[in-house]
Amino acid sequence: GNSVTQMEGPVTLSEEAFLTINCTYTATGYPSLFWYVQYPGEGLQLLLKATKADDKGSNKGFEATYRKETTSFHLEKGSVQVSDSAVYFCALTLMTGNQFYFGTGTSLTVIP
Amino acid sequence: ETGVTQSPTHLIKTRGQQVTLRCSSQSGHNTVSWYQQALGQGPQFIFQYYREEENGRGNFPPRFSGLQFPNYSSELNVNALELDDSALYLCASFLQSVSGANVLTFGAGSRLTVL
Repeated sequence: GNSVTQMEGPVTLSEEAFLTINCTYTATGYPSLFWYVQYPGEGLQLLLKATKADDKGSNKGFEATYRKETTSFHLEKGSVQVSDSAVYFCALTLMTGNQFYFGTGTSLTVIP
Repeated sequence: ETGVTQSPTHLIKTRGQQVTLRCSSQSGHNTVSWYQQALGQGPQFIFQYYREEENGRGNFPPRFSGLQFPNYSSELNVNALELDDSALYLCASFLQSVSGANVLTFGAGSRLTVL
């Protein structure tokens, strides 16, 4: 089947620390991969995406590279800020117009 | 452009009751998806509507039903509510295209509590 596995949280980091949130996937075809972020009391917002192997998605200092050989899409940021505190979801979809499969989310808290 | 709006934002029901949640899709989008997000979990796909017809469904029973209207807004109906239906219900819209991966635009959700 299709599924996404994320590292469990919560994750607490000091400001300016390096962030990695691991994400691996299982898919019956060739998925597109996404990271969504959910701030308290809000819906999910697209953070970045990659649609084929070796693509790197990036936005707001966050990066993730689509690794087909390891079926992974790990999220990284070199220097986190307090404003990055949120829940991060890894997701995949198999084709245009199809459903998304989400991981369970990883809660990040950044302390000053 | 306006984003995805959902109503109501919070509601409380009792077991056995019925509920209707509403969603206005983002301007220019023609497809609406509904997701259930239980506390501490990721969103789970309920179903999707395109051109006023359901064109995809997740592992949810028939008491979860929906509608899409000509203006692309949508409703989610849940009958015979159970305690486990307590969750955040998210609506997402996108413009279905034949190329590239669709990007979902989410609303802020409707928080349903079943007592």
